[in-house]
Amino acid sequence: QVQLVESGGGLVKPGGSLRLSCEVSGFTFTDYYMSWIRQAPGKGLEWISYISSSTGRTIHYADSVKGRFTISRDNAKNSLYLQMNSLRAEDTAVYFCARDGEGPMDVWGKGTTVTVSS
Amino acid sequence: ETVMTQSPATLSVSPGERVTLSCRASQSVRSNLAWYQQKPGQSPRRLIYGASTRGTGIPARFSGSGSGTEFTLTINSLQPEDFAVYYCLQYNDRWTFGQGTKVEI
Repeated sequence: QVQLVESGGGLVKPGGSLRLSCEVSGFTFTDYYMSWIRQAPGKGLEWISYISSSTGRTIHYADSVKGRFTISRDNAKNSLYLQMNSLRAEDTAVYFCARDGEGPMDVWGKGTTVTVSS
Repeated sequence: ETVMTQSPATLSVSPGERVTLSCRASQSVRSNLAWYQQKPGQSPRRLIYGASTRGTGIPARFSGSGSGTEFTLTINSLQPEDFAVYYCLQYNDRWTFGQGTKVEI
């Protein structure tokens, strides 16, 4: 069945970096756009980035992370990544990856937790 | 950036009732609107996309309508498992979520 599994979360100091991964299975990864979404503790959902299918030529970011986060994909490894630099306390959240199927975010992973604190 | 505003913030209802949730966009998003349901401790689940198309496996009691700037999610005969937070998402331009509506008993 279709599965998305995030990893790479953890505790990091302000200004630090972290790389999240999302390994997928059960579908042809190269055919799909993919997204990252986050949810701060007790707050709502925030879309942060998406990458187009195949070569990943089209990428968009939310203003809140532009210039600090980089989305990428490795089709050979069926994996999506989010490189997060210059982390701030307000980046503390659960980070979800999602597949963009027929319409946006039709399948989600369970998320990985990022805590930015000194 | 397109701002999405959901109302009400919280809705207190009883099982079996019909529920209507609203989502308003600060500018037209055409029909590029989706609805998600999230229960505590779980990932969101997509209910509706294209403003009115139910996702695979979504019960028929969930329906969406609207276009442009005004959208509605209707849940007919609310079931106990429907108590959750509902989010709208516009994906017309630099995707943005609404702040959510909590449907509680």
